[in-house]
Amino acid sequence: GAVVSQHPSWVICKSGTSVKIECRSLDFQATTMFWYRQFPKQSLMLMATSNEGSKATYEQGVEKDKFLINHASLTLSTLTVTSAHPEDSSFYICSSILDRVRHEQFFGPGTRLTVL
Amino acid sequence: GESVGLHLPTLSVQEGDNSIINCAYSNSASDYFIWYKQESGKGPQFIIDIRSNMDKRQGQRVTVLLNKTVKHLSLQIAATQPGDSAVYFCAESNQFYFGTGTSLTVIP
Repeated sequence: GAVVSQHPSWVICKSGTSVKIECRSLDFQATTMFWYRQFPKQSLMLMATSNEGSKATYEQGVEKDKFLINHASLTLSTLTVTSAHPEDSSFYICSSILDRVRHEQFFGPGTRLTVL
Repeated sequence: GESVGLHLPTLSVQEGDNSIINCAYSNSASDYFIWYKQESGKGPQFIIDIRSNMDKRQGQRVTVLLNKTVKHLSLQIAATQPGDSAVYFCAESNQFYFGTGTSLTVIP
C-alpha cells in the first residue's frame, strides 16, 4: 500500500512555456503532499507543502507565482512550473505521509524536467 | 532551524563488506528517525526506522543504531551488494527537510 505516482516521468519543454506535473496517491487519501526539487548530486530541497483544499505553504526562497501548486482532491496534487527557464531543469519529486506520528514519507518516482 | 546532517558525503565499499552510514541530528524531541534509500533517477524509498526510545533496530541486512547522548544515528548494511549502491538519507519524524545524503558505491 501507500503508492505515489507521478506523471510525466520526464518532460522536455521550451523556455517560456509552462509545465504541469501530477502527483497521485493511488491507494490512500493524501491530505498532505510535499514537493521537492533535486539537482544532480544534491539533496532533496523541500519546495512546498500542499494541503488538500487549502493554499500550499511555500519554503523560503521558492516563488509561489512561479511554482503553482493545486491540491484539489485527496488523491491529486499538481505542480505547475510557469514560464520555465533552463535553470528550472531539475528532478521534481512529490511525497505524502500516512502516519502523523512517524511521518514516514512515500515518495513518487520523480519527474525529470529539462527546459531548453 | 534544526536539521539532520550527514558526516560523509561518499562511501565506497567492497562487495560483501559491511557498510556504515552515519547521521547527526539536532532535534532531541523527534519521536522517530527514518532512513531512506534513493537509487539513481528514482524517488527515495523507506528502509527502516527507529523510535526514539530504542537504541537499536534490525531489519533484513540492515541495522539502525541510535545514540541519543550524542545525537547520532547510523545505518549498518551487512554483506553489501551492488544493489545497495544509492544515496542514503536520514530524516526526523517531525521534519521534512533532508541533509546532504551519503552516496554509497559498492565495488564488485
